[in-house]
Amino acid sequence: AQSVTQLGSHVSVSEGALVLLRCNYSSSVPPYLFWYVQYPNQGLQLLLKYTSAATLVKGINGFEAEFKKSETSFHLTKPSAHMSDAAEYFCAVQAGTDKLIFGTGTRLQVFP
Amino acid sequence: EAGVAQSPRYKIIEKRQSVAFWCNPISGHATLYWYQQILGQGPKLLIQFQNNGVVDDSQLPKDRFSAERLKGVDSTLKIQPAKLEDSAVYLCASSLDLGRINEQFFGPGTRLTVL
Repeated sequence: AQSVTQLGSHVSVSEGALVLLRCNYSSSVPPYLFWYVQYPNQGLQLLLKYTSAATLVKGINGFEAEFKKSETSFHLTKPSAHMSDAAEYFCAVQAGTDKLIFGTGTRLQVFP
Repeated sequence: EAGVAQSPRYKIIEKRQSVAFWCNPISGHATLYWYQQILGQGPKLLIQFQNNGVVDDSQLPKDRFSAERLKGVDSTLKIQPAKLEDSAVYLCASSLDLGRINEQFFGPGTRLTVL
């Protein structure tokens, strides 16, 4: 069975600080991995995805994530947080089928 | 290009009542998904359509939930009768075709509150 675990339901950073949101996955087959962002009262927007090509994936809004098979991780980072980054972030896995299996989400707060 | 449209955006009903949600996918998208997102959790797939056929409904509580996509375009999701635990955001998504290479695009969701 496939699953993702997001460590930390809430993360707070100061504006300009490094953002690190953690995601670990479990999959019996080579996975596709995703990070989505959800702003209040909006749907999910794709930030970036890993599809077995380059292990370092760059996404929108300055975010990137690195696929580490040995650690079964796909952590999301951004060098410098902006106030507009405040949102909920979901990691998801697809393994073998179209079904997206989501983690429980991490709410990012950015303080001035 | 217009995105995935959903209506209503908000709905409040009492338990044991019925409710229906509507989704209009991106034009030309053959695959349509309904997800349930309970507060504090990630979205969970309820049902997946390819054109007007069901691909996966293994997580749909079929005793009270039903969904259809009669002409392979718009879709409706119905709950009858609703329970308190059905309070959630219902997200519709569409993709060009089957296969995980195709990105899923999400609508804004319908927030259901069951009192």
